[in-house]
Amino acid sequence: SYELTQPLSVSVALGQTARITCGGNKIGSKSVHWYQQKPGQAPVLVIYSDTNRPSGIPERFSASNSGNTATLTVSRAQVGDEADYYCQVWDSTTAWRVFGGGTKLTVL
Amino acid sequence: EVQLVESGGGLVKPGGSLRLSCAVSGFTFRRYSMNWVRQAPGKGLKWVSSISSSSSDIYYADSVKGRFTISRDNAKNSLYLQMDSLRAEDTAVYYCAAQMPDTSSLNYWGQGTLVTVSS
Repeated sequence: SYELTQPLSVSVALGQTARITCGGNKIGSKSVHWYQQKPGQAPVLVIYSDTNRPSGIPERFSASNSGNTATLTVSRAQVGDEADYYCQVWDSTTAWRVFGGGTKLTVL
Repeated sequence: EVQLVESGGGLVKPGGSLRLSCAVSGFTFRRYSMNWVRQAPGKGLKWVSSISSSSSDIYYADSVKGRFTISRDNAKNSLYLQMDSLRAEDTAVYYCAAQMPDTSSLNYWGQGTLVTVSS
């Protein structure tokens, strides 16, 4: 089955740019979605279909997808951005939704 | 306002059963595919099952296939998950999530309901 690999943690200085990667075999040919989850809360969709932001999500959140790596970029990181971030794709072979293991973003 | 409200979680012994419900309001439920996603304590998100808008397409993760049954009632704006033969490893918060049309992203989520399987 398809697998997604994320770093366990990423740290970023306040106001700087954080990049969270999501690796998968030829992930560039798939549509990648990103979720933010804060402690004790349900996940929130922050990017869908590789690069699109739902309404209400700040422009500081952007993403790209190419080759074997998708990347979520958080610009001008704020303390409020501290959360776990998950990438997700749809595996056409099984029709399963597949999540990455999640990355904890810490803003220093 | 979009609302997804899960219920039915609780403590159950191994081998037991539970039925989760998800009551939906604020969007046209019958047009959305729906999913169950779970999260074990301190762990990441794991997709469990999905059902298309008309119930014609249903899928399960291997870990629950044959034990869990997803269903929906479009007239009642409700999603269900019947969980049988529960195991300790099924312990998790279970979220219902609505799938954005024409994508596989999950744009609306409930607050989750905790299922604990323990003797």
